[in-house]
Amino acid sequence: NAGVTQTPKFRILKIGQSMTLQCTQDMNHNYMYWYRQDPGMGLKLIYYSVGAGITDKGEVPNGYNVSRSTTEDFPLRLELAAPSQTSVYFCASSQTVENQPQHFGDGTRLSIL
Amino acid sequence: KQEVTQIPAALSVPEGENLVLNCSFTDSAIYNLQWFRQDPGKGLTSLLLIQSSQREQTSGRLNASLDKSSGRSTLYIAASQPGDSATYLCAVSNSGGGADGLTFGKGTHLIIQP
Repeated sequence: NAGVTQTPKFRILKIGQSMTLQCTQDMNHNYMYWYRQDPGMGLKLIYYSVGAGITDKGEVPNGYNVSRSTTEDFPLRLELAAPSQTSVYFCASSQTVENQPQHFGDGTRLSIL
Repeated sequence: KQEVTQIPAALSVPEGENLVLNCSFTDSAIYNLQWFRQDPGKGLTSLLLIQSSQREQTSGRLNASLDKSSGRSTLYIAASQPGDSATYLCAVSNSGGGADGLTFGKGTHLIIQP
């Protein structure tokens, strides 16, 4: 019962580099989400998807891009890494918005130096 | 814009006590309210989900209530144990338009002293 799997778990990037954070879920959920969590703060929504081929911006989308080519996968791309993107990134999925809980991965800890 | 506030930010109590964590939100247009637990260096684990039409949900020693009209929820933990030590996050799923994700509070960091 894998649930939501995120890779890598840790990563250090230099300013200006790019990378893709991977997220896969095996629960056949329609909805998938990317959040970031800064120290002492709650999670903030970056992007979300309501199904394959459909994505939309959340509260803090600047500097990020996403795609959803399959139901299972929802990668998050950082094109030009900046120190302000140092954070812990969480991917989540849910079957519905109205009455089902979100299931979270273990997170990716990203440092931009 | 929805805002979620959790009080207190931190709490330390002796083992065995009953305790209450508080959550408030500014916009009552919600589908549901969810309580999560987060252990250090880990992801979030769903504890309870209360739909907007419900008043409370129970799971074992946990009981969550929802008063949508006043924008408040409480998480009651009975007979606390050291294993309950974690950060507890409250989040709402908004139904008033906008993004379909959750709006989170900053959490309550709970320590149960053995």
